[in-house]
Amino acid sequence: DIQMTQSPSSLSASVGDRVTITCRASQNINIYLNWYQHKPGKAPNVLIYAASNLQSGVPSRFSGSGSGTDFTLTISSLQPEDFATYYCQQGSSISYTFGQGTKLEIK
Amino acid sequence: EVQLVQSGGGLIEPGGSLRLSCVASGFPFNDAWMSWVRQAPGKGLEWIGRIKSKAAGGAIDYATPVKDRFTISRDDSKNTVYLQLSSLKTEDTAMYYCIWDMYGSGSYYFYFWGQGILVTVSS
Repeated sequence: DIQMTQSPSSLSASVGDRVTITCRASQNINIYLNWYQHKPGKAPNVLIYAASNLQSGVPSRFSGSGSGTDFTLTISSLQPEDFATYYCQQGSSISYTFGQGTKLEIK
Repeated sequence: EVQLVQSGGGLIEPGGSLRLSCVASGFPFNDAWMSWVRQAPGKGLEWIGRIKSKAAGGAIDYATPVKDRFTISRDDSKNTVYLQLSSLKTEDTAMYYCIWDMYGSGSYYFYFWGQGILVTVSS
């Protein structure tokens, strides 16, 4: 299975900050990388698919980039509702593995 | 409005069995590929398995840790996908999510998630 490694595991930031989360795949996954936001007590929801495509309805402050094995999720200006856990997921091959998550907390 | 309404969770003893249901509405279920993902307490997300639409052959794929214990099925006449959990272990304790899958620009992703249902395996 393809292993996905996110960094950092946790991050403290303030409203208005620019934040970047990285995700590395154990092998080349082209652009087949997706990002999710997960808030406590709610189901996860997709933010970005295929590395850089913004899911409909997701605010434009979210963006994604990368290809091959290295990817980033950027939030350009943190809003209060963005404090959550973020996961990357490879969409290249079964078993569609997730990263371990990055918990974004308020500083 | 797209909805995935899950049911069937609860407390079960180790070695027991349980069937989770997920009723879909608001989208063409017959054509949908559906996955199950779980999250153990304090842990990350883990893909369990996926069932393709009948038009795509209906194939079912499983993650290795559950391959011989869990079974995914679907009843398109009821717009429902099922996850049968058998020989349950304490480490199967988790929130289980039913998901409508999608391909976007070649990437396979989890488009719309059910609300989740808690399964607790404990004696």
